[in-house]
Amino acid sequence: AQTVTQSQPEMSVQEAETVTLSCTYDTSESDYYLFWYKQPPSRQMILVIRQEAYKQQNATENRFSVNFQKAAKSFSLKISDSQLGDAAMYFCAYWSGWDAGNMLTFGGGTRLMVKP
Amino acid sequence: GAGVSQSPSNKVTEKGKDVELRCDPISGHTALYWYRQSLGQGLEFLIYFQGNSAPDKSGLPSDRFSAERTGGSVSTLTIQRTQQEDSAVYLCASSLSRGQGGQFFGPGTRLTVL
Repeated sequence: AQTVTQSQPEMSVQEAETVTLSCTYDTSESDYYLFWYKQPPSRQMILVIRQEAYKQQNATENRFSVNFQKAAKSFSLKISDSQLGDAAMYFCAYWSGWDAGNMLTFGGGTRLMVKP
Repeated sequence: GAGVSQSPSNKVTEKGKDVELRCDPISGHTALYWYRQSLGQGLEFLIYFQGNSAPDKSGLPSDRFSAERTGGSVSTLTIQRTQQEDSAVYLCASSLSRGQGGQFFGPGTRLTVL
């Protein structure tokens, strides 16, 4: 079974600074997708960024980028120029729906605090 | 709006009562998922629908939990004889047929069992 681990329960960053959230996963699959979701206090899970495992190029979405290391099974999220609105829980998630069903497997989450 | 909607937003019930939680997915999304988010338990997969059928019910925690989907659209998660340990946020998500593009979540239903 696939597992996803986020080793940092909490992180804090100064506004306008850069922060990196860590995620590792375990899988025997070669074709899969990885995601970062943001969950603010409103509870709604928001898709931040997506990475396809067969693509070597790291995904970027505006101030959000990932460092995907397939051999190391590592998938970290970098947030540049942090803003107060970035404060939330961040979840790393794994998907390999080809044989293993269609659900996401989530890490335990990292709470990000942004200091003004 | 065009997003996933869930109702009710909050539900308080007494132990032993039955509850129904509703999810309305994004139009055109054939796949629908239910997850449970408990304090200290993270996000737990419950069930997945492709159209009206549920190929994967492996996550339902007990036979008190059931779900259905009709017309390839709205889904209802039913919890019978609720227990205090059922207290959690129940999240619904939808996606295109396969989920590699990501799943899109609703705002959740917070269930409190007294």
